[in-house]
Order: sequence, then C-alpha cells, then structure tokens
Amino acid sequence: EVQLVQSGGEVKKPGESLRISCQASGYNFATYWIGWVRQMSGKGLQWIGVIYPGDSDARYNPSFEGQVSLSVDRSIATAYLQWGSLRTSDTAIYYCARLSGSWEPPDFWGQGTLVSVSS
Amino acid sequence: EIVMTQSPATLSVSPGERATLSCRASQSVSNNLAWYQQKPGQPPRLLIYYASTRVTGLPARFSGSGSGTEFTLTISSLQSEDFAVYYCQQYDYWPPWTFGQGTKVEIK
Repeated sequence: EVQLVQSGGEVKKPGESLRISCQASGYNFATYWIGWVRQMSGKGLQWIGVIYPGDSDARYNPSFEGQVSLSVDRSIATAYLQWGSLRTSDTAIYYCARLSGSWEPPDFWGQGTLVSVSS
Repeated sequence: EIVMTQSPATLSVSPGERATLSCRASQSVSNNLAWYQQKPGQPPRLLIYYASTRVTGLPARFSGSGSGTEFTLTISSLQSEDFAVYYCQQYDYWPPWTFGQGTKVEIK
C-alpha cells in the first residue's frame, strides 16, 4: 500500500528555519516524482515544486524559487521541504504528493503539515 | 502562468440531482487537465486526469469532458459523500502547474 506520511505541525517565529518531511512507503521511492503543494487558510492550492528522488532533479514554481528548497534522502525514502528564513506569509498547510507517472498529476497525497509562523 | 478559472464558486444542489462544474484555462492545455475533490481536513483526492479518465474505483456518476480551454466535471446524481470542494488543475505547462480557485458543492 502506497503511503506518504508527513511530519507534524510546526509553530515558528519569523526568520527561523524549518524543514518538514514526507516519508514514502509501499513503492519504489526513487522512480516517482514527489511534489509539494501549499494551501493557505481557507484558500486554494499552489504548486511549490517537484523533485525526482532518483537524481534529486528539482523544479520550482518561480513564485517560490529562492524561498524554499526541495531535497530527498533515498536511504530513508523521505522528501523534504525547507525554509531558510520563514515569514508570516508562509503560514499554511503543506502537502506532499506522489506524481502518478512521468509528469502526471499526483495519485497519492500526504496528510498535510500545518506550519504556523507568528511573532 | 496559465490561469484556471472555475465556475460557479458555489453550487447548491439537492441529493440525487446533477451537478455541472466548469473550468476554463487562459490558454490551451490540450487534455492535460485533472479534477480533484477535497473535504475539510483532508488532502485533495485525484478524481479524473487527461480531462476524462477516471481513476480506478471512482464511481461512474463522475465524468469529465473537454479539451483546449473549456472543461466540465459532471456528477450525475449527487450522493451525500460528494459534497465537497472541487478543483481543476492544468499539468500541460510547467512552471508552474496551476489550480483553479475551486467550486464548493453544497447541500441545497
């Protein structure tokens, strides 16, 4: 059974750093793209970027490039979304998702990680 | 960036009735269009991809149609579990893939 299990919610202050995780199981982690999606409170969905665990090829939405970074650790089948300096506007739920095929929409999603940034 | 526009924002429907949701792209996305369902406190759930292909196990009352810039999701006879927010998403152009703003299907 394919599963994506995300790390727990975080409460942070502006300027702090953060890394959230997405641990995959039930399939060959290296051969499916992983994407990250942001959902701000009561709002719609935005793609942040995607990463191919096989070679760590990462592609970013220009709106997020330079603000976040994507990475993976193949040895533990885990993908990461990282911020170097959080802003209050980063407060949102973040989902990881497995793309169903090469450059196709995601068929499995993590449960979401709530990140709250406030002074 | 391709802008996806969904209408209506809210659709009030009685159980058993038909619901028709629309999605328009600001430029052609061919048939690279997906529909998702999201319920409160849950991640989105993929329903349809390539505009009209249902995911395995999706009830036949859900159907998708369209190509280019105009797309439709139809739920032929709404069940209680279908009341949710529905999003369309284009995956023809990166960066970035883009979602519509969502249509909330509520009980009339």
